Amino acid sequence: AQKITQTQPGMFVQEKEAVTLDCTYDTSDPSYGLFWYKQPSSGEMIFLIYQGSYDQQNATEGRYSLNFQKARKSANLVISASQLGDSAMYFCAMREGSDSWGKLQFGAGTQVVVTP
Amino acid sequence: IAGITQAPTSQILAAGRRMTLRCTQDMRHNAMYWYRQDLGLGLRLIHYSNTAGTTGKGEVPDGYSVSRANTDDFPLTLASAVPSQTSVYFCASSEGLYTDTQYFGPGTRLTVL
Repeated sequence: AQKITQTQPGMFVQEKEAVTLDCTYDTSDPSYGLFWYKQPSSGEMIFLIYQGSYDQQNATEGRYSLNFQKARKSANLVISASQLGDSAMYFCAMREGSDSWGKLQFGAGTQVVVTP
Repeated sequence: IAGITQAPTSQILAAGRRMTLRCTQDMRHNAMYWYRQDLGLGLRLIHYSNTAGTTGKGEVPDGYSVSRANTDDFPLTLASAVPSQTSVYFCASSEGLYTDTQYFGPGTRLTVL
């Protein structure tokens, strides 16, 4: 079963506007970590932000913030003041504490295109 | 600090040939991983290593092998490449806990003909 769902395959956003990328997850493990990665057209996977299941506050990293709603099992990424360089594929991922493999489970991704 | 390096950047390989993808990290992370990224299937874990000297199978291990002789290096070997192994391969590393970020290498684009 899909553990990470990103329902927006793609979206356009105007430069300097904020954009919210949706992510819902499915786990019965009380301990887990949620991660967002950016993959530009050059192909590398760039870590953006992390939220732990026990964190009381929403994570923020510069222009990135995570809207963590634990009861709804959602971890939406908010990018404020979009820049042209934000155009990329964005992946939400989860790692469960009980998973001895340590694997990250990825969503299908959301393609973001920032327009001038 | 380079982080994680992978080699080669890309490779075209004839089916049946043996190929080793190299991965080196300089962050002294305990855990290392190999993923493959395929269109529509996202990233899937091939093999992992929680510490030097130990390895384990991930979701899609068939046709691949790994070794972890030391902390820094984690090569991935395709013993006899097949076209279905055409993919982009990412090596990653982390401290090991579920709360620790996995950092990725730049990837290797492999085409098996």
